[in-house]
Order: sequence, then structure tokens, then C-alpha cells
Amino acid sequence: DTAVSQTPKYLVTQMGNDKSIKCEQNLGHDTMYWYKQDSKKFLKIMFSYNNKELIINETVPNRFSPKSPDKAHLNLHINSLELGDSAVYFCASSQGWGSNQPQHFGDGTRLSIL
Amino acid sequence: KNEVEQSPQNLTAQEGEFITINCSYSVGISALHWLQQHPGGGIVSLFMLSSGKKKHGRLIATINIQEKHSSLHITASHPRDSAVYICAAAVRFDSKLTFGTGTRLQVTL
Repeated sequence: DTAVSQTPKYLVTQMGNDKSIKCEQNLGHDTMYWYKQDSKKFLKIMFSYNNKELIINETVPNRFSPKSPDKAHLNLHINSLELGDSAVYFCASSQGWGSNQPQHFGDGTRLSIL
Repeated sequence: KNEVEQSPQNLTAQEGEFITINCSYSVGISALHWLQQHPGGGIVSLFMLSSGKKKHGRLIATINIQEKHSSLHITASHPRDSAVYICAAAVRFDSKLTFGTGTRLQVTL
């Protein structure tokens, strides 16, 4: 059983479209995260939710909107996609809120904007 | 300047060599994470440490809080260790992770 699963694995779409990436974890964790990895492999936090509440919202364009329907799910919706949104997006989860919690990562969603 | 710096950026080693990857950070932290990203793209958490040393198989991670420095060592390296190794600082009073730029390791036969 996959602990943190993201869908889709690959997403190719045109500029201006709206798309969503889904994330589910079956670890019973309270905290979930979205990270963006750019073409130079640099990872950066985008959002974090703890018990369905938004805890971290980094300086991300408001075209990106996370939604957590329950503790096990954290989806990412992106409006009006731009070329610069091309990246790999990783979902992760941890047992609880706190910087000393190990994080479990999904396999990533590679988003390519044409 | 990034708050978390890694060196070297790229490392090539022969099978069996002892490998060290370094991570320096400039912020107060509550924990330091080491992650491994394989060529297929998935990310695995290797270690999380706030003091001293941790060992898992052929991997050893150490941290010196006073010097704001951590190292990841791989003993008896093997081609399957080829991956990108990333350190991430869990900044004190702020639960988000700040990542280093990664070290790309290639181990050849």
C-alpha cells in the first residue's frame, strides 16, 4: 500500500488552463504539505495543513489554491497556468505539526506547461 | 545566499569508497533532515536529527549544533547509492523545512 499517493504522475497542459493535483495519505498523519521542485531540483514549501487547517502559506501566487476536505487529503488546484508553473510538485505528510517530525513524500507530479 | 548550503554539488565515487556530504545552515534549527531523491524522482526521508549521530545500515548522519553543520556519510558505497541527497533545516519556532540545493552523487563500478 502506497503511504502518500499523488495523482496524476504526469500532467501536460496548455498555458491558461486550470488543473488539479490530488494527494492522499493512509498513514493517519495530521499534517500535510505541498512542495514545488524547480528545474534545478530546488525544493520549496508552498503550503501546509494541520488537521485541515492552513498553517503555512508561503509567497505563492493566489492562482494556487490548496483544499483539504479531510485529514487524509490535500489537493492543489491551479488556475490560469503559466509557463513558470512547470515543475515537479510533491505532497508530503507528517505525524503531527512540529519541525522535528519526519516527513513522508509522494512520488511527485511532473507538470509541464506548453 | 541560501540559508542552507550543501557541498559538494556533484560527487563521483567508485564503488566501495567512503563518501561525505556536508550541510551548513545559518539559522537556528530544531532539527536537520537528510533526504534522498532517486533518479526516478521519489523522495525518501533518511534521517532527522537534532544532536549527535544516527546510523542506519551504511549511512551515518552527524550534526554539530554549535558549528551549525551536519554531515552525511556513506560507507562502502554502491552504485545503488547514486541519487541526489538533500539536507533540510527545520527552522526553530517555524515548522517549515528550508532545503539545501542538493548533492548529486554518482557511484560507479
